[in-house]
Amino acid sequence: GENVEQHPSTLSVQEGDSAVIKCTYSDSASNYFPWYKQELGKGPQLIIDIRSNVGEKKDQRIAVTLNKTAKHFSLHITETQPEDSAVYFCAASFSQTGANNLFFGTGTRLTVIP
Amino acid sequence: DTGVSQDPRHKITKRGQNVTFRCDPISEHNRLYWYRQTLGQGPEFLTYFQNEAQLEKSRLLSDRFSAERPKGSFSTLEIQRTEQGDSAMYLCASRLQGVDNSPLHFGNGTRLTVT
Repeated sequence: GENVEQHPSTLSVQEGDSAVIKCTYSDSASNYFPWYKQELGKGPQLIIDIRSNVGEKKDQRIAVTLNKTAKHFSLHITETQPEDSAVYFCAASFSQTGANNLFFGTGTRLTVIP
Repeated sequence: DTGVSQDPRHKITKRGQNVTFRCDPISEHNRLYWYRQTLGQGPEFLTYFQNEAQLEKSRLLSDRFSAERPKGSFSTLEIQRTEQGDSAMYLCASRLQGVDNSPLHFGNGTRLTVT
């Protein structure tokens, strides 16, 4: 089955700086890569996703890049704000029409220092 | 916005007892998923339904775990003879299969503590 590795496990940045979280996956058939943000006591919330026919996707301060050859993808958050502090999870799956059985990384706890 | 709803939010039970959790997906979503999340880990897939049909259950953790979605709407996850190792957050998610790029929406989970 799919194995997703995520680094770093913790990340502290100053407010306004950028944050980068990286993930690798093992199954070359995976074609859908979402990122979730999880706040304390809540379920994961989708923040951005990318499919394998796209190399980069951006939504305001958040961007995701995908390198299918190397089987890795990254989340970039620019101009970080204290409310970005949370645990971020990457995931991978194979699906023809979006999310299917997602395999998650182990998470990155991001702390944005005011 | 009536997202995915899970009940109860917290459950404390004694070892050996049975517990049942309920999930109400987003109303038009035909796929429903159960995940388990332990402390410091990402969610781990357990099982999923397409309408009332359970399409994958090989990843349920043991035969003490079972799930149903009898009318293709809400779902229940039951754990029989609970063990301390079952303590975790149980997450439900749903999506609309057949629609391109339909993402998975999660509920806020049921936190189970087995004493």
